[in-house]
Amino acid sequence: QVQLVESGGGVVQPGRSLRLSCAASGFTFSSYPMHWVRQAPGKGLEWVALISYDGNSKHYTDSVKGRFTLSRDNSNNTLYLQMNSLRTDDTAVYYCARVWLMAATDWGQGTLVTVSS
Amino acid sequence: QSALTQPPSASGSPGQSVTISCTGTSSDVGGYKYVSWYQQHPGKAPKLMIYEVSKRPSGVPDRFSGSKSGNTASLTVSGLQAEDEADYYCSSYAGSNKYVFGTGTKVTVL
Repeated sequence: QVQLVESGGGVVQPGRSLRLSCAASGFTFSSYPMHWVRQAPGKGLEWVALISYDGNSKHYTDSVKGRFTLSRDNSNNTLYLQMNSLRTDDTAVYYCARVWLMAATDWGQGTLVTVSS
Repeated sequence: QSALTQPPSASGSPGQSVTISCTGTSSDVGGYKYVSWYQQHPGKAPKLMIYEVSKRPSGVPDRFSGSKSGNTASLTVSGLQAEDEADYYCSSYAGSNKYVFGTGTKVTVL
């Protein structure tokens, strides 16, 4: 069955960097676009970024553009989110999700990123 | 882009129906057939319930249905059950490979 496992979250100071990973299994990873979606504590879902199946097309919400970078390694079935210049309002649980028919069909369990001094 | 607007809460007794609205603009909900709905229980990851406005993924009960009129999409849960108590989020494609989520609705089964 489809499995997505995020890792790399933790506590980081404002202005520092963190890289999240999402290990995929149970499906042909290289055939699907992937989302990152985040949820601040006690808040709603926020779409963060989308990467095409081959990694050649990447799209970001305005608040992370220029600070976050998406990438994927289709040979190792892994999705990455490099987060630089982190701000306190980036504090959230970050989910990766498989995209099919323009919907997020499968989600990981999420990884918590806390930006705090 | 701004979040889609959902009512903060909705409720119903077991067996009743509840409908949640999701209001956007002609640039998102009104402009595309790509509206989806997600259910999220506390401390859990979201789960896809509806895609392409009204289609149900395999395994989702037919008690869940979706529709759209103009810039407003709706999710209806018929025959409410205790396990339907959760947060529900709509989402829409917003053009240029961007997406937007709704503000979320907490459904309570009385």
